[in-house]
Amino acid sequence: DGGITQSPKYLFRKEGQNVTLSCEQNLNHDAMYWYRQDPGQGLRLIYYSQIVNDFQKGDIAEGYSVSREKKESFPLTVTSAQKNPTAFYLCASSIAPSDEQYFGPGTRLTVT
Amino acid sequence: SQKIEQNSEALNIQEGKTATLTCNYTNYSPAYLQWYRQDPGRGPVFLLLIRENEKEKRKERLKVTFDTTLKQSLFHITASQPADSATYLCALWGGSYIPTFGRGTSLIVHP
Repeated sequence: DGGITQSPKYLFRKEGQNVTLSCEQNLNHDAMYWYRQDPGQGLRLIYYSQIVNDFQKGDIAEGYSVSREKKESFPLTVTSAQKNPTAFYLCASSIAPSDEQYFGPGTRLTVT
Repeated sequence: SQKIEQNSEALNIQEGKTATLTCNYTNYSPAYLQWYRQDPGRGPVFLLLIRENEKEKRKERLKVTFDTTLKQSLFHITASQPADSATYLCALWGGSYIPTFGRGTSLIVHP
């Protein structure tokens, strides 16, 4: 069954801790994306990767880091430098950058 | 700066009517425009893609128009059903092939 998965669905962390969100896809897609969604807001692009071992900053990359060591995986680390990390995080993939995006179920991160 | 506007107020309509959602943009020359559906607490789901040289696209009860002169896309759902209730997002792709999403408009279809 092809798709894109994110884990965990809910994540709680104390302020000052780094946390890594998982994103895996078995769709054989080259492009992968991380978005952040806040209540009443649109999706804001954090990082994207168009190919393995390459990634680019999006609009709000500060306080986040990513890696793309495998085609299937694009983990996002929320560092302690992110001022307001509590949000709904969405991972997506597409065959090519301009194609339809397939989204994961999201991870809701709460930092207290 | 580039801006995408979708009506922040929820659209309430009666079952069976046609729902029309609007996506306006400024300072942008999109090559592609896509519409997504998002249910609460879930990831968006792709609905339709329309290119800058296309005026209209249809898929079952859905229709999208793209007017690059007015800088506007309209998204129509005909014969709406309560199950169509969700938030609908428009997304634009420019020359960089990096998407910009609007905030979305909530549609509520009353039985």
